[in-house]
Amino acid sequence: DGGITQSPKYLFRKEGQNVTLSCEQNLNHDAMYWYRQDPGQGLRLIYYSQIVNDFQKGDIAEGYSVSREKKESFPLTVTSAQKNPTAFYLCASSISGLVFASSYNEQFFGPGTRLTVL
Amino acid sequence: SQQGEEDPQALSIQEGENATMNCSYKTSINNLQWYRQNSGRGLVHLILIRSNEREKHSGRLRVTLDTSKKSSSLLITASRAADTASYFCATELTQGGSEKLVFGKGTKLTVNP
Repeated sequence: DGGITQSPKYLFRKEGQNVTLSCEQNLNHDAMYWYRQDPGQGLRLIYYSQIVNDFQKGDIAEGYSVSREKKESFPLTVTSAQKNPTAFYLCASSISGLVFASSYNEQFFGPGTRLTVL
Repeated sequence: SQQGEEDPQALSIQEGENATMNCSYKTSINNLQWYRQNSGRGLVHLILIRSNEREKHSGRLRVTLDTSKKSSSLLITASRAADTASYFCATELTQGGSEKLVFGKGTKLTVNP
């Protein structure tokens, strides 16, 4: 059963704590992405990775960190430096994020993690 | 307008009616994609239209693209209550050797039974 999974579904964090959101895919996709969605808003790109051991900052990377040690995994850490972390976080993957593969850039999304800072 | 801005922000119709949502953007695009999001869930890809295409169909969905006006529309025909969701357009841009999707804020569609 192929797909992209995120855990946990709900996450509560105290101020000053770092938390890590999990994202796993078994679609054999090279590219993975993290987005943040605030109520009534669209998605904003936090970080993306085109290939294992490589990642780039998106539009709102401050206060976040990622790693891409395995093709199937792209965890996101929300650090205490992120001033307003309460949001819905979405992970996505696509076959490739590179220009020459532009035919394949439909993104597949996980179910999301709702993070609340207490 | 912003890159990938939908109009209207909210739309309420009766079952069986058609729903039309519009998307405007600012810069040149590789393609434009439409996604659907049910409340509290992830996004699901609906349809992709390339910059050299003008119209595309998929089931009850019809997408048009007018690159001269930098706009796209999504038409859902014979709507059903199950079509109730938020719909986002996403424009694909090329930046630094990779593709990037820029999402709009979405149109919230309510189909009343």
